[in-house]
Amino acid sequence: EADIYQTPRYLVIGTGKKITLECSQTMGHDKMYWYQQDPGMELHLIHYSYGVNSTEKGDLSSESTVSRIRTEHFPLTLESARPSHTSQYLCASRANRGSGANVLTFGAGSRLTVL
Amino acid sequence: GEDVEQSLFLSVREGDSSVINCTYTDSSSTYLYWYKQEPGAGLQLLTYIFSNMDMKQDQRLTVLLNKKDKHLSLRIADTQTGDSAIYFCAESLTGANNLFFGTGTRLTVIP
Repeated sequence: EADIYQTPRYLVIGTGKKITLECSQTMGHDKMYWYQQDPGMELHLIHYSYGVNSTEKGDLSSESTVSRIRTEHFPLTLESARPSHTSQYLCASRANRGSGANVLTFGAGSRLTVL
Repeated sequence: GEDVEQSLFLSVREGDSSVINCTYTDSSSTYLYWYKQEPGAGLQLLTYIFSNMDMKQDQRLTVLLNKKDKHLSLRIADTQTGDSAIYFCAESLTGANNLFFGTGTRLTVIP
């Protein structure tokens, strides 16, 4: 059973607020990812991490930031939310090297609405 | 860059077979995947195929890979209303640590 958790599942906030989306996994995976999903379904990689103290920007530029202080935890922060940040944010993790297929396990997502 | 394309919508009647198609451009794909996303949920891995295989079958699911044409398909036999969801194909490339996703196909099953 995959154990990757995202909180909150739904968040509605006003413009200018700071928010943090939490993502935790109990599988001991080194690699973790954040994807942003458009209302029209397409997924875009915005951040990833290869392990503790490693963070990289993804293919889609994002004003959010991430941190990886512990293996199991990969939070995403928006310092000042805007309506353009309204989206679904999906966290994923991947089994460590040597496990064959590059299978990503996803959390249930955090749907953010900025008014 | 990597380009993975799918048709956006597919409707089928309950009990019929569904075929969801995907094309990709990068020939260095190592694995190709099918994920399912139900409303309000994350993505769930359905199946994957190694790039040197032509076909993989898993119960009602059949994956076909035509590497020459860079074409991947997912066939769902005896489609049920519970199969209504968005289906994403994805590829992983040699040396890459993330997956590249298609645009997703929204499958609607009509009772």
